[in-house]
Amino acid sequence: EADIYQTPRYLVIGTGKKITLECSQTMGHDKMYWYQQDPGMELHLIHYSYGVNSTEKGDLSSESTVSRIRTEHFPLTLESARPSHTSQYLCASSEYIANYNEQFFGPGTRLTVL
Amino acid sequence: SQQGEEDPQALSIQEGENATMNCSYKTSINNLQWYRQNSGRGLVHLILIRSNEREKHSGRLRVTLDTSKKSSSLLITASRAADTASYFCATLEAAGNKLTFGGGTRVLVKP
Repeated sequence: EADIYQTPRYLVIGTGKKITLECSQTMGHDKMYWYQQDPGMELHLIHYSYGVNSTEKGDLSSESTVSRIRTEHFPLTLESARPSHTSQYLCASSEYIANYNEQFFGPGTRLTVL
Repeated sequence: SQQGEEDPQALSIQEGENATMNCSYKTSINNLQWYRQNSGRGLVHLILIRSNEREKHSGRLRVTLDTSKKSSSLLITASRAADTASYFCATLEAAGNKLTFGGGTRVLVKP
């Protein structure tokens, strides 16, 4: 099991609420990622970070925001949740080794917005 | 369209049989990786093959890479019920720093 944690594992929330999905890793990895995955579908990269104070948008446009104040922590925030945000959110990390990029995944947060 | 596309989308086999799934991609890559995902969980890295490698083994897993055809295959030999999962290929582009995942192959191994 990888040392990368996500909380909560499941979240059911009403429209308009602000939510933060937590992701922490204890492997000292510089690179961290957030993916969005609908059931049975491919992963879409929505945010990534090269290290502290680095955040980049991924391939899929997302209304969420991220921050990277500490190496081990990469939270994702939705200011106003909508039903279209219902999905599974997967956090991952990797060492910053050029041309390698094996990623370690957390267990995911399954978000349902009513 | 996706960088990595798996084929077939779903596969159902009996325990003990071999399972083969394929991945095609479009751009030049640095490496190709296979991941496994149990239902509703995160992904687990299985094996990485670099663009200058043609075949790699890890336990019951065998991966091939054909860069001229831009394709890879994952073979699971002597499958077990515990191999039931979705399997994803992911490519690291030659000039890139992000992995791009395909849609996955859902494998069901019946006991």
